[in-house]
Amino acid sequence: QSALTQPRSVSGSPGQSVTISCTGSGSDVGGFNFVSWYQQHPGKVPTVIIYDVDERPWGVPDRFSGSKSGNTASLTISGLQADDEADYHCCAYAGRYTWVFGGGTKVTVL
Amino acid sequence: EVQLVASGGKLVKPGGSLRLSCVVSGLSFSDAWMTWVRQAPGKGLEWVGRISSETDGATTDYGAPVKGRFFISRDDSKNSTYLQMNTLTTEDTAVYYCAVILGARATYFGYWGQGSLVTVSS
Repeated sequence: QSALTQPRSVSGSPGQSVTISCTGSGSDVGGFNFVSWYQQHPGKVPTVIIYDVDERPWGVPDRFSGSKSGNTASLTISGLQADDEADYHCCAYAGRYTWVFGGGTKVTVL
Repeated sequence: EVQLVASGGKLVKPGGSLRLSCVVSGLSFSDAWMTWVRQAPGKGLEWVGRISSETDGATTDYGAPVKGRFFISRDDSKNSTYLQMNTLTTEDTAVYYCAVILGARATYFGYWGQGSLVTVSS
């Protein structure tokens, strides 16, 4: 179970779009359509914003979207807002009801 | 409203043991699959382990760093899950979150507790 690879940080201006990548292997990201993304503001509890690659829980704005190609999943935030400044963590199912997380990406709104 | 309240975190010496508790309300706990996730200071999230519902056998599995040292259990009469941590090292210092596994195929962590801080230090 090796951690998934995410960029340490990405940044963008308000209104722009940013994309965060999450690279794993054929045993996790590439093997199942069960990638989820979690948003975590400083000092706060993580909350799910994307599950099963591209599904949004009720209440999550459609500015957040997910996708996957091969062993790499991506989270795109469109129309960047100040409140989007947070850490974003990807998580992939790795079989037999086990999971693996990425190292997290800090999104900065310039 | 679904609520998860974790407790039991404290300062413990290397080699020591500790048990965390997580009480769940607002959903049918007996049907819930539960997981524990930890976050070391300034680091990302790390999956610790999970337990299935009693109906599904209350089976458990763990991440490699904790396998053989940590054990997850549940008591449906108390709507609670527990994380027993043994042979603790400084590498286990983290905030420990309990969460409910959701999804038609139990694929993501939908509700999270507030976290319980465990500090391992001499």
